[in-house]
Amino acid sequence: QVQLKESGPGLVQPSQTLSLTCTVSGFSLMDYSVHWVRQPPGKGLEWMGRMKYDGDTYYNSALKSRLSISRDTSKSQVFLKMNSLQTEDTAIYYCTRDDGTYYYWGQGVMVTVSS
Amino acid sequence: DIVMTQGALPNPVPSGESASITCRSSKSLVYKDGKTYLNWFLQRPGQSPQLLTYWTSTRASGVSERFSGSGSGTYFTLKISRVRAEDAGVYYCQQVREYPLTFGSGTKLEIK
Repeated sequence: QVQLKESGPGLVQPSQTLSLTCTVSGFSLMDYSVHWVRQPPGKGLEWMGRMKYDGDTYYNSALKSRLSISRDTSKSQVFLKMNSLQTEDTAIYYCTRDDGTYYYWGQGVMVTVSS
Repeated sequence: DIVMTQGALPNPVPSGESASITCRSSKSLVYKDGKTYLNWFLQRPGQSPQLLTYWTSTRASGVSERFSGSGSGTYFTLKISRVRAEDAGVYYCQQVREYPLTFGSGTKLEIK
């Protein structure tokens, strides 16, 4: 059974670094790519970046200078780190599996940037 | 970046009627393999996006036949037949033709 679950702090202070984890089960990170997508409250979806099954990464150019995606295949985890957070980074952050489609999504984790 | 532009619906839509949502891309979504990389999602309040169709018109596993995707090149449509209360939410188109992947701004469907 394929599952993805995001975890991380619910509150981050402005200018600090966000660290999120996507823990997957039911498949191997060496077989499938995982993407991160975020959604500010009441707004649309924004693609952030991808960890490919071979370890390659690709980022949204709008976030590239602040964003890093990595993984630990032994723990079935994909990590997102984004620095210099601002209030506009307040959003629900999702991870999703890329199998040519985007059928499987995590439940999302709400992150609020506030002092 | 490929810009995705979605049309609006004349909400609310009466239960049992049909609804069509349009989506335009700023560039052709046809890839060299001949497939057209356009997805449709439904996001119900408080839920993660649910994949409805991919490659323009292929329904995802478990999705009702009432949902049908069509289109080509840069113009796409999602038709929902005999709408039900459970179809309410925001519909997004997404292009996966090239990076960065981009979404439309969403189309809200309300049911009467």
